[in-house]
Amino acid sequence: QKEVEQNSGPLSVPEGAIASLNCTYSDRGSQSFFWYRQYSGKSPELIMFIYSNGDKEDGRFTAQLNKASQYVSLLIRDSQPSDSATYLCAVKDTGFQKLVFGTGTRLLVSP
Amino acid sequence: EAQVTQNPRYLITVTGKKLTVTCSQNMNHEYMSWYRQDPGLGLRQIYYSMNVEVTDKGDVPEGYKVSRKEKRNFPLILESPSPNQTSLYFCASRPDRLDTGELFFGEGSRLTVL
Repeated sequence: QKEVEQNSGPLSVPEGAIASLNCTYSDRGSQSFFWYRQYSGKSPELIMFIYSNGDKEDGRFTAQLNKASQYVSLLIRDSQPSDSATYLCAVKDTGFQKLVFGTGTRLLVSP
Repeated sequence: EAQVTQNPRYLITVTGKKLTVTCSQNMNHEYMSWYRQDPGLGLRQIYYSMNVEVTDKGDVPEGYKVSRKEKRNFPLILESPSPNQTSLYFCASRPDRLDTGELFFGEGSRLTVL
């Protein structure tokens, strides 16, 4: 069973700080990685995707991928209370039939 | 507006009473899928469909049926619901491209089976 592991949290950070969210995956052949944000009671929405080793930046968000370590992370700079949500890591399986989701990390940003 | 629409959004039913959750997308996507989301278990795929008349089981298909007679619609059928099917259900779609795996989610259907 291919797995995606995340710490459930909550991860608490003060407003303006950097939030670091981490994810590990078991399928070494995985090529595509995604971060979704889900507000309570709402549907997931895509924040970023990353395919290559290294960093990918989009505004306040940076995704980091290390395929050798099977590790992907999301950094949120200048965290805002509106960033408080659950962040889901997802990995596209090698057969491309589905995204395998982690259970999510709950982020709380306090004013 | 591009969207995935699910109905009903909320439903309380009783064990054994057949129900259907509808899902429709207006983006001409080939791929559609159903997920259920439970605390501590995350999003788990129930069924998916690569195109019209093509459906396949996901990770947790027991107790569910689907059909894909039209490209835009992908209903989820619970023939005889049981309390362990109480969950938050999401329909999702994506274009059949290999350059991205982004899923577009519906707003969710919260089902309670008594």
